[in-house]
Amino acid sequence: QQQVKQSPQSLIVQKGGIPIINCAYENTAFDYFPWYQQFPGKGPALLIAIRPDVSEKKEGRFTISFNKSAKQFSLHIMDSQPGDSATYFCAAILYSSASKIIFGSGTRLSIRP
Amino acid sequence: GAGVSQSPSNKVTEKGKDVELRCDPISGHTALYWYRQSLGQGLEFLIYFQGNSAPDKSGLPSDRFSAERTGGSVSTLTIQRTQQEDSAVYLCASSLAQGASPLHFGNGTRLTVT
Repeated sequence: QQQVKQSPQSLIVQKGGIPIINCAYENTAFDYFPWYQQFPGKGPALLIAIRPDVSEKKEGRFTISFNKSAKQFSLHIMDSQPGDSATYFCAAILYSSASKIIFGSGTRLSIRP
Repeated sequence: GAGVSQSPSNKVTEKGKDVELRCDPISGHTALYWYRQSLGQGLEFLIYFQGNSAPDKSGLPSDRFSAERTGGSVSTLTIQRTQQEDSAVYLCASSLAQGASPLHFGNGTRLTVT
C-alpha cells in the first residue's frame, strides 16, 4: 500500500514533443505529490508539486494532471527541449508523517534534437 | 545561500573497511534524510532525523549501517565492514519542516567498494 508505481522506465522524445510520465499510488491517505528532476551527477531537485484538491497544476512548460478517483497523476512537458533530458521521480507524501516520502522508481527521459 | 553539502564526493574503499559519509544540511533545516541510489535505480530511504526526535531508522538495510546527527545540524552516515553491494550514491537531503516542505538534496557521495 505504500508503493508508488512509475512508468515508463525510460522515454525518448523528439524535441518539441510532449513526454508524459505516469504514476499510480494505492494509499488514499497520501496528500502531497511532488515531482523531482535529477541531472547526472546531481541530486534531485523539486520541479513541481500538487495537492489532491486540484486536478491540474502548471508551472511554465511543466504540467501535473491529477486523477484522485483513479489514484493516478502524471507529468507532461510541453515543447520539450534537449535540456529537459534528465531522470524524473514522482513521489507521494503523508503530510502528517514527513518521513514517509515514497518515491517512484524514476523515468530516464531523453529529448533528441 | 549554500545548499546541502556532502563529502567526500567520491570514495573508493576496500571490502571490509569502514567508511564515514558527511552531510551539512541547509542552515535552519530541521529535517534531514539519507537515501541510497544504486546505478540507474530509484531512491532507497535509509534514515530520517527531525529536530530532537528519535530518528526513523526503518530504512537501514543492516546493522552495519548507522547514522547520527550532532547538534541538530551535521550528519554522518557510517557503514561498517563494507561489502560490494554497498556500492551506490548516497544522497542527503534536508527540509525546513515536516509535511510538504520540499527536500533539498546534496549532490551525493559516490561510494565504490572494491
